[in-house]
Amino acid sequence: AQSVTQLGSHVSVSEGALVLLRCNYSSSVPPYLFWYVQYPNQGLQLLLKYTTGATLVKGINGFEAEFKKSETSFHLTKPSAHMSDAAEYFCAVRGAGSYQLTFGKGTKLSVIP
Amino acid sequence: DAGITQSPRYKITETGRQVTLMCHQTWSHSYMFWYRQDLGHGLRLIYYSAAADITDKGEVPDGYVVSRSKTENFPLTLESATRSQTSVYFCATAGGHEQFFGPGTRLTVL
Repeated sequence: AQSVTQLGSHVSVSEGALVLLRCNYSSSVPPYLFWYVQYPNQGLQLLLKYTTGATLVKGINGFEAEFKKSETSFHLTKPSAHMSDAAEYFCAVRGAGSYQLTFGKGTKLSVIP
Repeated sequence: DAGITQSPRYKITETGRQVTLMCHQTWSHSYMFWYRQDLGHGLRLIYYSAAADITDKGEVPDGYVVSRSKTENFPLTLESATRSQTSVYFCATAGGHEQFFGPGTRLTVL
């Protein structure tokens, strides 16, 4: 069984400040990890993913995340927040060999001008 | 080149009525999924399909029925809608390692 915990349902940052969204997972098999972004009234869009190889992965819009197996974490970061980053972000895990995703409950990011 | 489409985008219905939400993909992906999104719950898997005529339950299947006679279509039916089924419904396909999501259907059951 897999599960995902996103710490903080709402996060507010000032424009230009560091964005840090936390994600911890549990998985009985080597995981594939994902971050999706959802803008209002839209579907989910893939930001980045970890499957194998380099543990620091870069995604779209300047986001990156680091897979830390020892901490079972996959936190999402961006050095400098932009107003357009305001959205809801979902962390998801998938076990290798399965196509099913298990999602966290989401973190809504607000960016303060 | 629509990728994945859902219809209708918005639907209001009454308790007890049957409702079908449509999902269509142009990629020929084998796997397709239905999720519901509710405040405080994130996305929860309702049903998924590995191929035409192969479907399986997800986390919250009660009250829903699916079918998949063709690879490109994966309709979701609420046989007798209840107010607790008011939600936003997303269809998705799996290609490679990731899932691709449709724009969603916002369903309100009065």
